[in-house]
Amino acid sequence: NAGVTQTPKFQVLKTGQSMTLQCAQDMNHNSMYWYRQDPGMGLRLIYYSASEGTTDKGEVPNGYNVSRLNKREFSLRLESAAPSQTSVYFCASSSHGTSVSDTQYFGPGTRLTVL
Amino acid sequence: GENVEQHPSTLSVQEGDSAVIKCTYSDSASNYFPWYKQELGKGPQLIIDIRSNVGEKKDQRIAVTLNKTAKHFSLHITETQPEDSAVYFCAAKAPPGANSKLTFGKGITLSVRP
Repeated sequence: NAGVTQTPKFQVLKTGQSMTLQCAQDMNHNSMYWYRQDPGMGLRLIYYSASEGTTDKGEVPNGYNVSRLNKREFSLRLESAAPSQTSVYFCASSSHGTSVSDTQYFGPGTRLTVL
Repeated sequence: GENVEQHPSTLSVQEGDSAVIKCTYSDSASNYFPWYKQELGKGPQLIIDIRSNVGEKKDQRIAVTLNKTAKHFSLHITETQPEDSAVYFCAAKAPPGANSKLTFGKGITLSVRP
C-alpha cells in the first residue's frame, strides 16, 4: 500500500515548455486534489476532483489543466510554463471530499523550477 | 470564502517545554479543523483534528482546543522533542456543500532546541 505517489520528484523547465505531473493513489479514494506550496503562502488548492469524472477549479487554477484519468489517477498539466509556476506541487486524496471530517492524504511532492 | 490565519510564522522552544500554535478562522459555518505536520522534504500528514461539537481533543502529547465564539483553535504540544521540529499547518472546512473545501493557514515553523 504505497498511498499517494507522484512523479517526477524534481523537474526543471524553460519558460514556455509544457509538462504533466502525475499522481496516483491506491486507497480507493473518491476525491483527489492538487495543491501548490510557496514560501509564506501555505498550501493553495489548484484543482480538485470530488469523484471520478468530475473536476473543479480551486483557488489558483490559472495556467493549469487537470485530468481525472480514472479513480486512481489525477494529472496536472502546465501547457506553457512560466517562472511564477515555480513551486512545490502536492497531490492529495480523500475518501469522500464532501464529508465533514475527511482526512486528506498527501503525496511526497514535485519540486518544479521554471527558468 | 474562508480565511485561516496562523501567528507567528516561526516558534522556537527548548526541548521538554510546551509549544502552543494558534489559528483563527473567518467563516462561522466551518465545523472541522485538522492540523497537519510537514517534515522537511515530505508531504503534510494529519496529526490531529477536531469537530465543532467538541471543545478539546487529546492524543498523547498533542491536544487541540477550539473556541467557536472567538473563532480560534490551538495546537498544544507538551514535552517537546527534537523530532517535533517541522512546519505545522492548521486548516478549516465548512459543512458539506459546493464550497466545502479545506482552507489552510500559511504554516508555522516549529524548532525544538536540544
